[in-house]
Amino acid sequence: QVQLQQSGPGLVKPSQTLSLTCAISGDSVSSNSAAWNWIRQSPSRGLEWLGRTYYRSKWYNDYAVSVKSRITINPDTSKNQFSLQLNSVTPEDTAVYYCARDLPREAANWFDPWGQGTLVTVSS
Amino acid sequence: SSELTQDPAVSVALGQTVRITCQGDSLRSYYASWYQQKPGQAPVLVIYGKNNRPSGIPDRFSGSSSGNTASLTITGAQAEDEADYYCNSRDSSGNHLFGTGTKVTVL
Repeated sequence: QVQLQQSGPGLVKPSQTLSLTCAISGDSVSSNSAAWNWIRQSPSRGLEWLGRTYYRSKWYNDYAVSVKSRITINPDTSKNQFSLQLNSVTPEDTAVYYCARDLPREAANWFDPWGQGTLVTVSS
Repeated sequence: SSELTQDPAVSVALGQTVRITCQGDSLRSYYASWYQQKPGQAPVLVIYGKNNRPSGIPDRFSGSSSGNTASLTITGAQAEDEADYYCNSRDSSGNHLFGTGTKVTVL
């Protein structure tokens, strides 16, 4: 059974960097069939996909246009985890952040499982 | 458009059937997946692909698709099905999209 365990601070100051980690058990961050995603949820923006990292003979990243200039998602094969860094945060980045595994197929994808979620508040 | 639209709320009598819809251009090319979210919890996958249920999801949940509309049907709704439901798909650029969410109330 695959499980994702998130960690990271719940409070970040404006203009600083939001950093979260997602530890994987029961699968590998280097899997050739999975992708590892960050998703956030807020009352104003709903569920919003932020980006993903995945390995297909080499590492790839895809990022949402809305955050592309500020986001980095990195795998850590030594710890079997992946991380999110979001730079220059503002109060609009306040949200519950989730990590999730994606199993992409030609005409479908699905997120399963999800991490437990981390409420990150951007405030001074 | 690169959006997925859902009705904000629906209600269903206990034991009856409810259909939740999701509309968007991307659904003409990609299957939707569906997620159930209860207050304070992470979303849980209930339907993926053409009409597949993960292990542990009751068979009263089913999915279908036609044109630009995907549907999630709960046949014989139970009290524990009261939750928010979200659809998800991809657009032509490979970006993931989520629906606006539907709150299901079981009466």
